[in-house]
Amino acid sequence: GQQVMQIPQYQHVQEGEDFTTYCNSSTTLSNIQWYKQRPGGHPVFLIQLVKSGEVKKQKRLTFQFGEAKKNSSLHITATQTTDVGTYFCAGVQGGSEKLVFGKGTKLTVNP
Amino acid sequence: DGGITQSPKYLFRKEGQNVTLSCEQNLNHDAMYWYRQDPGQGLRLIYYSQIVNDFQKGDIAEGYSVSREKKESFPLTVTSAQKNPTAFYLCASSIAGTVHEKLFFGSGTQLSVL
Repeated sequence: GQQVMQIPQYQHVQEGEDFTTYCNSSTTLSNIQWYKQRPGGHPVFLIQLVKSGEVKKQKRLTFQFGEAKKNSSLHITATQTTDVGTYFCAGVQGGSEKLVFGKGTKLTVNP
Repeated sequence: DGGITQSPKYLFRKEGQNVTLSCEQNLNHDAMYWYRQDPGQGLRLIYYSQIVNDFQKGDIAEGYSVSREKKESFPLTVTSAQKNPTAFYLCASSIAGTVHEKLFFGSGTQLSVL
């Protein structure tokens, strides 16, 4: 079936270190969305990328969409304890009208 | 305050029992969705509805049923046919229901089996 692979599944960092999570698809994605779910909370939309090679920034967060539109990344610079949570990507694979979620990367930050 | 309200926050189901999870939105969104989340897993789509009185099965619809009699409401029934119902259930909505729109999620219902 359709899959959007996300790695790593878990990441533990010291506060101040950088963090990156990656999403990969075997087929072209028409768009990709990123969500954050705090512990005990619900997913909250962060951003959507649509164009090949697109890069968007939100303060310490940088989102990239690959040139081939098959992969995406979320990079956090100098993590803070408020960044703790699970980050999900969700993509629409070419020819499909379905938004498919990755399994998420759970980030913990040691103060 | 606009948003999506799910109730109850916690729900327990006995063997052979049907239970209904409530989802109400006041965002005036056309589309509503139900997702299931298991630990360490992504979100899997159960059912979705893009318009009142119409809904479609998602990837894991077996053992679940829904109705969409009002734009604001999209209740999910977990039937006794669902043999592994323990999970976190998330309701979501979007403006028109295309896959290029962001989803707004409710706070979720944790369903457990007694």
